[in-house]
Amino acid sequence: QSVLSQPPSASGTPGQRVTISCSGSSSTIGRNTVNWYQQFPGTAPKVLIYNNNQRPSGVPDRFSGSKSGTSASLAISGLQSEDEATYYCAAWDDSLSGQEVFGGGTKLTVL
Amino acid sequence: QVQLQQSGPGLVKPSQTLSLTCAISGDSVSSKNAAWNWIRQSPSRGLEWLGRTYYRSKRFNDYAVSVKSRITINPDTSKNQFSLQLNSVTPEDTAVYYCARSQRGALDYWGQGTLVTVSS
Repeated sequence: QSVLSQPPSASGTPGQRVTISCSGSSSTIGRNTVNWYQQFPGTAPKVLIYNNNQRPSGVPDRFSGSKSGTSASLAISGLQSEDEATYYCAAWDDSLSGQEVFGGGTKLTVL
Repeated sequence: QVQLQQSGPGLVKPSQTLSLTCAISGDSVSSKNAAWNWIRQSPSRGLEWLGRTYYRSKRFNDYAVSVKSRITINPDTSKNQFSLQLNSVTPEDTAVYYCARSQRGALDYWGQGTLVTVSS
């Protein structure tokens, strides 16, 4: 069971807006920034959003992130077929000696 | 452009030591602005961060609680690479292992991944 909780699946039709949630605690999201990763089968994850809402260069502005309290969200607007992938949230966990923790991942299907 | 190239065996026997290396190009293992991480992924455990090494005023290492008693991450400044050693492996350590750079808190460059199977 992952320290950060995500829905296992999400879906949408092309052009739609989809939101993926990530729930943590006071020692994770409550105190630290959230990053989002996109992963296609057989490849390494790629950072999509860092520091809660910042996009690396090259990431389309269709992708946006937000954080409130101990939860975070990834929003994808103008959904495209190539967005079909698994999305992971991640944050530092200050409990114990400190470590990075991930959500269980959300498989996004574009219908 | 930062590139990370992983190497190491894909098959390890139970109770033995898993060893992987990650060669860095386009950055330095001694950089004061980055950390060098190992992460693994398996169907049963999902993405699991294992640990990191980084240099600020001195060398630091952080390890995940789940593997802290068995893991060592070492930098090799002469070869600009870093390594992972995981001792006393069991079949539960079977996973795809990734090395990755972190900067500004995010894992921004990843290696290609190495499937390591623990089996006799």
